[in-house]
Amino acid sequence: GAGVSQSPSNKVTEKGKDVELRCDPISGHTALYWYRQSLGQGLEFLIYFQGNSAPDKSGLPSDRFSAERTGGSVSTLTIQRTQQEDSAVYLCASSLRGGSTTAVDTQYFGPGTRLTVL
Amino acid sequence: DAKTTQPPSMDCAEGRAANLPCNHSTISGNEYVYWYRQIHSQGPQYIIHGLKNNETNEMASLIITEDRKSSTLILPHATLRDTAVYYCIVPTNDYKLSFGAGTTVTVRA
Repeated sequence: GAGVSQSPSNKVTEKGKDVELRCDPISGHTALYWYRQSLGQGLEFLIYFQGNSAPDKSGLPSDRFSAERTGGSVSTLTIQRTQQEDSAVYLCASSLRGGSTTAVDTQYFGPGTRLTVL
Repeated sequence: DAKTTQPPSMDCAEGRAANLPCNHSTISGNEYVYWYRQIHSQGPQYIIHGLKNNETNEMASLIITEDRKSSTLILPHATLRDTAVYYCIVPTNDYKLSFGAGTTVTVRA
């Protein structure tokens, strides 16, 4: 079946501009995650949505970052007033049920959006 | 996440089996071993996971030692498309995945 899709695949923007990154999770998956990966770095957790629960925004690096998930499906990550340090690959993942304090659910990743801030 | 240790790199001949080791000596009884890989400029790809028993799917096999302190990912017939960074992770009971340095696998013709 179709995997996680993300758009755009590449985004080049100027410092100070706002950008929106989109994620379409696997159909039927209730949990959605955003991560970012800087050049040569590991994964950095940003935000987690699970069903109708309040999202875990603990990984968002600043208030310039926000995300929403409409209708329990598509998610948009918005970065306002972009800075050069925001340049990275932004990855979205989804899982069937979501993780918890007692179980880990398999996350399936999209291809990512490569953001370059000039 | 429980700490894992992997060799930084390994080469493999095309068509041969690739055996990727991972040490996770501090793993807890209810923690799973997960393997992902990341091909250059692509998102991480889930490969396989296991708890105690050996597991096999269409991509790979996972062999977990009886004491669960180490495991081996086996790619039975490596192809050039298997060239990637392979990550062995033991997620804590949480949803925030983190990857270490992984093993860079280069499959050579």
